Amino acid sequence: KAGVTQTPRYLIKTRGQQVTLSCSPISGHRSVSWYQQTPGQGLQFLFEYFSETQRNKGNFPGRFSGRQFSNSRSEMNVSTLELGDSALYLCASSSPGQGALNYGYTFGSGTRLTVV
Amino acid sequence: SQQGEEDPQALSIQEGENATMNCSYKTSINNLQWYRQNSGRGLVHLILIRSNEREKHSGRLRVTLDTSKKSSSLLITASRAADTASYFCATASYTDKLIFGTGTRLQVFP
Repeated sequence: KAGVTQTPRYLIKTRGQQVTLSCSPISGHRSVSWYQQTPGQGLQFLFEYFSETQRNKGNFPGRFSGRQFSNSRSEMNVSTLELGDSALYLCASSSPGQGALNYGYTFGSGTRLTVV
Repeated sequence: SQQGEEDPQALSIQEGENATMNCSYKTSINNLQWYRQNSGRGLVHLILIRSNEREKHSGRLRVTLDTSKKSSSLLITASRAADTASYFCATASYTDKLIFGTGTRLQVFP
């Protein structure tokens, strides 16, 4: 079956702009998590959605937001982009209802965002 | 915030040698997982060990978990050049959130 699909793969934006990233989880997976990866901070948890509800949230400013649709596809939005938002944004899905407590996550290939 | 710290940060070995990576974490966990990442791509799940397990094997991988010391190790036996990647431990607490460690960069020379 198809894996986790993230679009776009690469993105270049200017400071102050906003950006929307998309993630389609594995069919049947209802939990979607987002991570930011940078050389300095490593893999940082952004948020997790399950059945259209945000279930967990990391320590990021309100400029970072997300949502999940009824088909489990998820989007994350970053408003008023800063240079420090340049990162690889990774989306992961996990089996319905169980998430990290019982199964591993399946990751997408990520979206590399560059803010100039 | 990051739950785990991994040691060493970088490791270089020859093909055929064993590679051992260690992970320490801070809080109580439900399970601990190991992932591999090839050069800026997505992460691949390798193995999951639950808090009531002490050792687990999968192919050339052996994972141990010591909850009293809040530490885990990943052993890759008979390393291959294709094992060159970054390896991350990740802990799952009872809030069902997966928190990653800092990672170990493994380089396997042919």
